[in-house]
Amino acid sequence: QAVVTQEPSLTVSPGGTVTLTCGSSTGAVTSGHYPYWFQQKPGQAPRTLIYDTSNKHSWTPARFSGSLLGGKAALTLSGAQPEDEAEYYCLFSYSGSWVFGGGTKLIVL
Amino acid sequence: QVQLVQSGSELKKPGASVKVSCKASGYTFTDYAMNWVRQAPGQGLEWMGWINTNTGNPTSAQGFTGRFVFSLDTSVSTAYLQISGLKAEDTAVYYCVRIPGYWGQGTLVTVSS
Repeated sequence: QAVVTQEPSLTVSPGGTVTLTCGSSTGAVTSGHYPYWFQQKPGQAPRTLIYDTSNKHSWTPARFSGSLLGGKAALTLSGAQPEDEAEYYCLFSYSGSWVFGGGTKLIVL
Repeated sequence: QVQLVQSGSELKKPGASVKVSCKASGYTFTDYAMNWVRQAPGQGLEWMGWINTNTGNPTSAQGFTGRFVFSLDTSVSTAYLQISGLKAEDTAVYYCVRIPGYWGQGTLVTVSS
């Protein structure tokens, strides 16, 4: 089974910009992995921010964006807010099966 | 609007079975597959598998075969996750998820003697 790798933790200053990434043990991440990004705050269900690499839901704040960067999937947060402190997970498709990354704890400090 | 409403928390003894339901509304149930995700206490998310809501054909991830069964009742737009032979390590929150990313609220299953 493929392994999806995320940074364990990242810190960003309020108003700052940070990029979270997800790599795949099978090689470069492509749009064919249909990358997803989720945000989860303590005690809450995850919330989908990005699907299919860069598509946003109606509830996704404009400051979040998804892309492919250097062979990885990337989630960029521009203008971090205190409420963005959370755990972030990516999810990739592998021919009908899905694999989550281990999560990135984002600290806004 | 799309909603996935799951059944309430369960407390079970080791060896028992549990059936978690996920009732969908706001869309045509058979147009989208239903996925299941597990989150053990303090841990990350694990994709358990999915069920084709048209054919009822399930696909399970590694580690979620045998004791874990996905099923449907399309007449009430509901998906089910049944876990048999419960073990303490099955203690987790279980989520149903519809692509592209609608989540149920989660069901806590606690296995304890």
